[in-house]
Amino acid sequence: EDKVVQSPLSLVVHEGDTVTLNCSYEVTNFRSLLWYKQEKKAPTFLFMLTSSGIEKKSGRLSSILDKKELFSILNITATQTGDSAVYLCAVPGSARQLTFGSGTQLTVLP
Amino acid sequence: DADVTQTPRNRITKTGKRIMLECSQTKGHDRMYWYRQDPGLGLRLIYYSFDVKDINKGEISDGYSVSRQAQAKFSLSLESAIPNQTALYFCATSDGVWETQYFGPGTRLLVL
Repeated sequence: EDKVVQSPLSLVVHEGDTVTLNCSYEVTNFRSLLWYKQEKKAPTFLFMLTSSGIEKKSGRLSSILDKKELFSILNITATQTGDSAVYLCAVPGSARQLTFGSGTQLTVLP
Repeated sequence: DADVTQTPRNRITKTGKRIMLECSQTKGHDRMYWYRQDPGLGLRLIYYSFDVKDINKGEISDGYSVSRQAQAKFSLSLESAIPNQTALYFCATSDGVWETQYFGPGTRLLVL
């Protein structure tokens, strides 16, 4: 059975801090790992990672995948209150469905 | 206009009632999905469809049914709603490339 575990479950930081969110996975025939950001609405796509060791960046957000150790991290530098959201990690499983982790609730205080 | 739309956005119903949630997309994607989201449980797949003639059960299909009326439309029905079906429901679409999915705005359902 495919499995995605995210940690921590929740995180509270102050503006300007740097945070690291973790995602570990177990899946048959790995193809990709996806990160989503969910504010008070639908999840929006952030990154897709397919190759180990290659960092994807978008502004203050970056993510990297370790296929040997079966995990990914999402880094956010110089956090802002607008970064407050639930961050979801997902992997496509053997039946081509996405298996989601339970998410990390990030709260950034002013 | 949004690429993936859901109606209604909010719904309150009573136990035993039949209700339908609708999803439409203009992205031209073949693949469509229905999820429910509960606090602390992430997104769980209810049903998915890879084309108009293909319907598959997801992780938690009991108590739900779906209809794929066209490439652009995928409806979710609760035949006899019960309180533990109170949740946030999302429709999503994908073109199948690396499985990236695009979500609708969600329907918040309360079953009394």
